[in-house]
Amino acid sequence: NAGVTQTPKFQVLKTGQSMTLQCAQDMNHNSMYWYRQDPGMGLRLIYYSASEGTTDKGEVPNGYNVSRLNKREFSLRLESAAPSQTSVYFCASSNTGRTEAFFGQGTRLTVV
Amino acid sequence: AQKVTQAQTEISVVEKEDVTLDCVYETRDTTYYLFWYKQPPSGELVFLIRRNSFDEQNEISGRYSWNFQKSTSSFNFTITASQVVDSAVYFCANNNDMRFGAGTRLTVKP
Repeated sequence: NAGVTQTPKFQVLKTGQSMTLQCAQDMNHNSMYWYRQDPGMGLRLIYYSASEGTTDKGEVPNGYNVSRLNKREFSLRLESAAPSQTSVYFCASSNTGRTEAFFGQGTRLTVV
Repeated sequence: AQKVTQAQTEISVVEKEDVTLDCVYETRDTTYYLFWYKQPPSGELVFLIRRNSFDEQNEISGRYSWNFQKSTSSFNFTITASQVVDSAVYFCANNNDMRFGAGTRLTVKP
């Protein structure tokens, strides 16, 4: 069972470049999330999508955009990458906001 | 923002010791859900437990136990007879904004 699949697993960008992180889940979950993880900061919510067709800002949305393409897929876009966006990014999904989240393997992004 | 606070940044114990990881949450809601996740050195995030605000019964699963006390807004996690494989970062979270605490890094030494 694939669960939550993120691509790519590693990426190095130059300042100002753009890229899209892809996430897909095969559990028919309604809710999907993007987090970033920085040392000592835990997981911080960037954006979430409670259901297909809706997206909302989380704690740290600046510099990011998202698209809930369909029920399975939720992408995160960096339009103009900055060194402060160097982090590990996790995508997650849950059946509802009241149930546990299942996480992808993470994307390690470095912006130089 | 409704915060989740894990005051212990790092804990180090010797194998077979018991250890408790603290979690304090803030919420304005009467109905809410709390979670614990484990992140081993390999980096993936693994769900451990979910508890809703209506159920204050303590939960035990093998060497793991959880103590939920609404009066102190705490949802603490105890590992009994710790093992080296328990070494990981542990996160507490609530479903309000799906907010996570900063995590506690547990190191269990042989």
